[in-house]
Amino acid sequence: ETGVTQTPRHLVMGMTNKKSLKCEQHLGHNAMYWYKQSAKKPLELMFVYSLEERVENNSVPSRFSPECPNSSHLFLHLHTLQPEDSALYLCASSPRGRENSPLHFGNGTRLTVT
Amino acid sequence: AQSVAQPEDQVNVAEGNPLTVKCTYSVSGNPYLFWYVQYPNRGLQFLLKYITGDNLVKGSYGFEAEFNKSQTSFHLKKPSALVSDSALYFCAVRDSGTYKYIFGTGTRLKVLA
Repeated sequence: ETGVTQTPRHLVMGMTNKKSLKCEQHLGHNAMYWYKQSAKKPLELMFVYSLEERVENNSVPSRFSPECPNSSHLFLHLHTLQPEDSALYLCASSPRGRENSPLHFGNGTRLTVT
Repeated sequence: AQSVAQPEDQVNVAEGNPLTVKCTYSVSGNPYLFWYVQYPNRGLQFLLKYITGDNLVKGSYGFEAEFNKSQTSFHLKKPSALVSDSALYFCAVRDSGTYKYIFGTGTRLKVLA
Protein backbone atom coordinates (compact mmCIF):
# COMPACT_ATOMS: atom_id res chain seq x y z
CA GLU A 1 0.00 0.00 0.00
CA THR A 2 1.59 3.22 -1.15
CA GLY A 3 -0.67 5.67 0.68
CA VAL A 4 -1.67 7.07 -2.71
CA THR A 5 -4.44 5.17 -4.46
CA GLN A 6 -5.34 5.55 -8.10
CA THR A 7 -8.44 4.18 -9.83
CA PRO A 8 -8.99 2.63 -12.23
CA ARG A 9 -5.73 0.74 -12.76
CA HIS A 10 -6.51 0.22 -16.42
CA LEU A 11 -8.76 2.18 -18.77
CA VAL A 12 -9.54 1.70 -22.43
CA MET A 13 -11.52 4.45 -24.06
CA GLY A 14 -12.53 5.58 -27.50
CA MET A 15 -11.63 8.97 -28.84
CA THR A 16 -15.13 10.31 -28.28
CA ASN A 17 -15.59 9.05 -24.72
CA LYS A 18 -15.46 11.01 -21.50
CA LYS A 19 -13.85 9.42 -18.47
CA SER A 20 -12.17 10.43 -15.23
CA LEU A 21 -9.12 9.25 -13.34
CA LYS A 22 -9.21 9.40 -9.57
CA CYS A 23 -6.43 9.79 -7.04
CA GLU A 24 -6.74 9.68 -3.26
CA GLN A 25 -4.00 10.12 -0.67
CA HIS A 26 -4.10 9.33 3.05
CA LEU A 27 -0.73 10.81 3.97
CA GLY A 28 -1.88 14.21 5.15
CA HIS A 29 -0.13 15.89 2.24
CA ASN A 30 -1.45 19.06 0.71
CA ALA A 31 0.27 19.18 -2.67
CA MET A 32 -0.85 16.80 -5.42
CA TYR A 33 0.53 16.13 -8.89
CA TRP A 34 -0.37 14.53 -12.19
CA TYR A 35 2.46 13.10 -14.29
CA LYS A 36 2.30 11.41 -17.68
CA GLN A 37 4.70 8.56 -18.38
CA SER A 38 5.06 7.50 -22.01
CA ALA A 39 7.40 4.85 -23.33
CA LYS A 40 10.93 6.14 -23.94
CA LYS A 41 10.10 9.68 -22.80
CA PRO A 42 10.89 11.51 -19.55
CA LEU A 43 8.15 11.86 -16.99
CA GLU A 44 6.03 14.84 -17.96
CA LEU A 45 4.62 17.03 -15.23
CA MET A 46 1.05 17.94 -16.15
CA PHE A 47 -0.51 19.71 -13.17
CA VAL A 48 0.26 20.59 -9.57
CA TYR A 49 -2.23 21.58 -6.90
CA SER A 50 -1.32 23.09 -3.56
CA LEU A 51 -4.09 23.43 -0.99
CA GLU A 52 -6.60 22.79 -3.79
CA GLU A 53 -5.24 25.65 -5.90
CA ARG A 54 -3.63 24.89 -9.23
CA VAL A 55 -0.04 26.16 -9.12
CA GLU A 56 1.45 24.52 -12.21
CA ASN A 57 -0.06 23.86 -15.60
CA ASN A 58 2.53 22.67 -18.06
CA SER A 59 0.92 23.53 -21.41
CA VAL A 60 -1.36 20.54 -21.25
CA PRO A 61 -4.06 20.26 -23.95
CA SER A 62 -7.53 21.28 -22.83
CA ARG A 63 -8.83 17.74 -23.39
CA PHE A 64 -7.24 17.06 -19.97
CA SER A 65 -9.05 18.84 -17.17
CA PRO A 66 -7.90 18.49 -13.55
CA GLU A 67 -9.99 18.93 -10.46
CA CYS A 68 -8.91 19.06 -6.82
CA PRO A 69 -11.97 19.28 -4.54
CA ASN A 70 -9.91 18.88 -1.34
CA SER A 71 -6.33 18.14 -0.36
CA SER A 72 -6.93 14.37 -0.32
CA HIS A 73 -8.50 13.94 -3.75
CA LEU A 74 -7.42 14.72 -7.26
CA PHE A 75 -9.19 13.96 -10.53
CA LEU A 76 -8.18 14.10 -14.16
CA HIS A 77 -11.16 14.44 -16.49
CA LEU A 78 -10.59 13.19 -20.01
CA HIS A 79 -12.54 13.94 -23.19
CA THR A 80 -11.96 13.57 -26.93
CA LEU A 81 -8.51 12.09 -26.40
CA GLN A 82 -6.08 11.14 -29.13
CA PRO A 83 -4.22 7.82 -29.52
CA GLU A 84 -0.96 9.56 -28.55
CA ASP A 85 -2.49 10.22 -25.13
CA SER A 86 -2.14 6.52 -24.35
CA ALA A 87 0.27 6.34 -21.41
CA LEU A 88 0.62 5.61 -17.72
CA TYR A 89 -0.83 8.47 -15.69
CA LEU A 90 0.74 8.83 -12.28
CA CYS A 91 -0.58 10.75 -9.32
CA ALA A 92 1.76 11.87 -6.56
CA SER A 93 1.62 13.89 -3.37
CA SER A 94 4.00 15.72 -1.07
CA PRO A 95 3.87 17.94 1.99
CA ARG A 96 3.49 21.54 0.89
CA GLY A 97 6.40 23.86 1.58
CA ARG A 98 8.97 21.16 2.37
CA GLU A 99 11.42 21.09 -0.51
CA ASN A 100 13.42 18.20 0.91
CA SER A 101 10.44 15.83 0.94
CA PRO A 102 10.12 13.19 -1.76
CA LEU A 103 7.05 12.65 -3.86
CA HIS A 104 4.85 9.70 -2.99
CA PHE A 105 3.38 8.04 -6.06
CA GLY A 106 0.35 5.91 -6.73
CA ASN A 107 0.58 2.85 -8.97
CA GLY A 108 -0.85 4.71 -11.92
CA THR A 109 -3.67 4.30 -14.41
CA ARG A 110 -2.70 2.65 -17.68
CA LEU A 111 -4.74 4.49 -20.31
CA THR A 112 -5.26 3.17 -23.83
CA VAL A 113 -7.05 5.36 -26.35
CA THR A 114 -8.47 3.47 -29.31
CA ALA B 1 16.84 25.90 -14.83
CA GLN B 2 17.33 22.70 -12.88
CA SER B 3 17.95 19.47 -14.78
CA VAL B 4 19.19 15.93 -14.33
CA ALA B 5 20.77 13.59 -16.85
CA GLN B 6 21.00 9.82 -16.78
CA PRO B 7 23.48 8.96 -19.52
CA GLU B 8 22.76 5.23 -19.66
CA ASP B 9 19.51 3.79 -20.98
CA GLN B 10 20.40 0.38 -19.61
CA VAL B 11 22.91 -1.12 -17.22
CA ASN B 12 23.60 -4.86 -17.04
CA VAL B 13 25.34 -6.39 -14.06
CA ALA B 14 25.86 -9.92 -12.81
CA GLU B 15 24.20 -10.95 -9.57
CA GLY B 16 26.51 -10.42 -6.62
CA ASN B 17 28.56 -7.75 -8.38
CA PRO B 18 28.49 -4.09 -7.38
CA LEU B 19 26.24 -1.83 -9.41
CA THR B 20 26.31 1.86 -10.27
CA VAL B 21 23.58 3.88 -11.98
CA LYS B 22 24.77 7.32 -13.02
CA CYS B 23 23.13 10.69 -12.60
CA THR B 24 24.43 14.21 -13.13
CA TYR B 25 22.59 17.36 -12.22
CA SER B 26 22.48 21.06 -12.90
CA VAL B 27 20.99 23.32 -10.24
CA SER B 28 21.17 26.87 -9.01
CA GLY B 29 21.38 26.94 -5.25
CA ASN B 30 21.31 23.95 -2.94
CA PRO B 31 20.47 20.68 -4.66
CA TYR B 32 17.69 18.47 -3.36
CA LEU B 33 18.32 15.16 -5.14
CA PHE B 34 16.31 11.97 -5.12
CA TRP B 35 16.42 8.43 -6.45
CA TYR B 36 13.31 6.40 -7.26
CA VAL B 37 12.74 2.85 -8.49
CA GLN B 38 9.87 1.64 -10.66
CA TYR B 39 8.85 -1.98 -11.00
CA PRO B 40 6.57 -3.13 -13.85
CA ASN B 41 3.00 -1.84 -13.58
CA ARG B 42 3.84 0.17 -10.49
CA GLY B 43 4.39 3.79 -9.60
CA LEU B 44 7.74 5.21 -8.57
CA GLN B 45 9.02 4.27 -5.13
CA PHE B 46 11.33 6.58 -3.20
CA LEU B 47 14.77 5.10 -2.45
CA LEU B 48 16.85 7.90 -0.96
CA LYS B 49 17.57 11.61 -1.00
CA TYR B 50 20.42 14.05 -0.56
CA ILE B 51 19.76 17.32 1.21
CA THR B 52 22.96 18.37 3.00
CA GLY B 53 25.60 16.70 5.10
CA ASP B 54 27.35 13.42 4.39
CA ASN B 55 28.16 12.82 0.76
CA LEU B 56 27.27 9.14 1.06
CA VAL B 57 23.54 8.70 1.56
CA LYS B 58 22.04 5.37 2.57
CA GLY B 59 18.56 4.35 1.50
CA SER B 60 16.15 1.46 1.15
CA TYR B 61 16.96 -2.11 0.06
CA GLY B 62 20.71 -1.68 0.59
CA PHE B 63 21.07 1.14 -1.93
CA GLU B 64 23.27 4.16 -1.36
CA ALA B 65 24.20 7.19 -3.40
CA GLU B 66 27.32 9.30 -3.55
CA PHE B 67 26.96 13.06 -3.89
CA ASN B 68 29.90 14.74 -5.60
CA LYS B 69 29.62 18.51 -5.77
CA SER B 70 32.68 19.10 -7.96
CA GLN B 71 31.46 16.61 -10.56
CA THR B 72 27.78 17.53 -10.06
CA SER B 73 26.96 13.85 -9.81
CA PHE B 74 24.70 11.74 -7.64
CA HIS B 75 25.35 8.13 -8.62
CA LEU B 76 23.29 5.28 -7.18
CA LYS B 77 25.26 2.31 -5.90
CA LYS B 78 24.81 -1.08 -4.31
CA PRO B 79 27.67 -3.32 -3.17
CA SER B 80 26.06 -6.60 -4.26
CA ALA B 81 23.27 -6.70 -6.85
CA LEU B 82 20.25 -8.99 -6.64
CA VAL B 83 18.14 -10.26 -9.52
CA SER B 84 15.17 -8.62 -7.78
CA ASP B 85 16.88 -5.21 -8.18
CA SER B 86 16.07 -5.36 -11.90
CA ALA B 87 13.83 -2.35 -12.51
CA LEU B 88 13.74 1.18 -13.90
CA TYR B 89 15.62 3.79 -11.85
CA PHE B 90 14.99 7.52 -11.92
CA CYS B 91 17.08 10.38 -10.60
CA ALA B 92 15.22 13.59 -9.75
CA VAL B 93 15.90 17.11 -8.53
CA ARG B 94 13.56 19.50 -6.79
CA ASP B 95 13.31 22.80 -8.65
CA SER B 96 14.02 25.20 -5.79
CA GLY B 97 11.25 27.68 -5.07
CA THR B 98 8.69 25.81 -7.16
CA TYR B 99 6.61 22.69 -6.78
CA LYS B 100 8.37 20.94 -9.63
CA TYR B 101 10.34 17.74 -9.34
CA ILE B 102 12.36 17.20 -12.50
CA PHE B 103 13.10 13.62 -13.48
CA GLY B 104 15.78 12.04 -15.61
CA THR B 105 14.89 9.77 -18.48
CA GLY B 106 15.41 6.64 -16.40
CA THR B 107 17.94 3.80 -16.50
CA ARG B 108 16.84 0.21 -16.84
CA LEU B 109 18.89 -2.04 -14.58
CA LYS B 110 19.14 -5.72 -15.48
CA VAL B 111 20.76 -8.03 -12.96
CA LEU B 112 21.68 -11.34 -14.53
CA ALA B 113 21.68 -14.57 -12.55
